[in-house]
Amino acid sequence: EPEVTQTPSHQVTQMGQEVILRCVPISNHLYFYWYRQILGQKVEFLVSFYNNEISEKSEIFDDQFSVERPDGSNFTLKIRSTKLEDSAMYFCASLRTRGEKLFFGSGTQLSVL
Amino acid sequence: KNQVEQSPQSLIILEGKNCTLQCNYTVSPFSNLRWYKQDTGRGPVSLTIMTFSENTKSNGRYTATLDADTKQSSLHITASQLSDSASYICVVSEDNFNKFYFGSGTKLNVKP
Repeated sequence: EPEVTQTPSHQVTQMGQEVILRCVPISNHLYFYWYRQILGQKVEFLVSFYNNEISEKSEIFDDQFSVERPDGSNFTLKIRSTKLEDSAMYFCASLRTRGEKLFFGSGTQLSVL
Repeated sequence: KNQVEQSPQSLIILEGKNCTLQCNYTVSPFSNLRWYKQDTGRGPVSLTIMTFSENTKSNGRYTATLDADTKQSSLHITASQLSDSASYICVVSEDNFNKFYFGSGTKLNVKP
């Protein structure tokens, strides 16, 4: 089965530092998403991306967050100045078309110290 | 407010037994409902997808049901195995597919 690939699997950073989380969605997919899951809590929506622009974003996705699809294959999430509460597992997901499977990557565990 | 509620929060069953997990949602306009299995520290993996016109969908030992009128779904696991121990998450999407709403999950523990 095709896979969504995320790197790194773990990222440790100091508060206030910038981090970039990388994702390679499945090649023929058109819809892309970032979610996060704080330990012990439910998965939370951050942002959806379609046709090279943000379709929707949650209240979590403030000015500190940005997404890019720089080269047609990678899909990145940047956090400009990390806070302690940004510590979570970040999942990238992609979807080929409506009604089909939403595929998740294995996640990047971000720890902000 | 669009919400997805799951019950029970956690469940312990003996290997070989059946169980049923519940999901209620208020997402509107509704597009489809998905059940995912999430192992600890891993990304969710799709089990079933159902649109409003589908009442039942099976995937091996997993059978999902959907009542779009009452906005309820269930996931039935037959003849449970130790490897079924995981969180099971109900996810509902709006018609525009921009956003998926996640339930808090049911943590299933299958014991020998």
